[in-house]
Amino acid sequence: DGGITQSPKYLFRKEGQNVTLSCEQNLNHDAMYWYRQDPGQGLRLIYYSQIVNDFQKGDIAEGYSVSREKKESFPLTVTSAQKNPTAFYLCASTGGWRQFFGPGTRLTVL
Amino acid sequence: DQQVKQNSPSLSVQEGRISILNCDYTNSMFDYFLWYKKYPAEGPTFLISISSIKDKNEDGRFTVFLNKSAKHLSLHIVPSQPGDSAVYFCAASALTQGGSEKLVFGKGTKLTVNP
Repeated sequence: DGGITQSPKYLFRKEGQNVTLSCEQNLNHDAMYWYRQDPGQGLRLIYYSQIVNDFQKGDIAEGYSVSREKKESFPLTVTSAQKNPTAFYLCASTGGWRQFFGPGTRLTVL
Repeated sequence: DQQVKQNSPSLSVQEGRISILNCDYTNSMFDYFLWYKKYPAEGPTFLISISSIKDKNEDGRFTVFLNKSAKHLSLHIVPSQPGDSAVYFCAASALTQGGSEKLVFGKGTKLTVNP
């Protein structure tokens, strides 16, 4: 049963704390992506990785960091430098021309 | 600068009628277009796509039309069903330097199909 998993579904953090969102895929995809969705804003690209140990900034990378030590895993860290971190975060991977999405993580910073 | 635009934030139709969702783009380098459907608090799911070399692609009740000269595409759903109620995202694809696909998304159109 292949797919993309994101955990946890809901996450609460205090302001000023770093938090890491998990993304795992067993689809054997090389490319993985992180998006952020805000109401009325669509999906905006934070970071993407085309291959292990390589990643590039997307359109809104400030305040975020990623790593890609394994093909299956692409964790996203939301740092205290991110001014407005409360959002719905989506991880995706690419098989051919199509992106497959995980179920998302709702991060709320209190 | 928004490269993919969905100018209607919402659309309401009656069950059984046609739903038409529109999308405009500005970058002529986009070579593939996709529609995703998204329910609240879930990840988007792929619906249908079209290559820039075609002008129409049909899959069951869903048809996507592409007008390259106008840089416009539309998604037709007929007949519309209440289960189609969701947010629909238009996305355009371009290759990155490394050869992977990078998608640019519109802001979405919320479709409501009334019984």
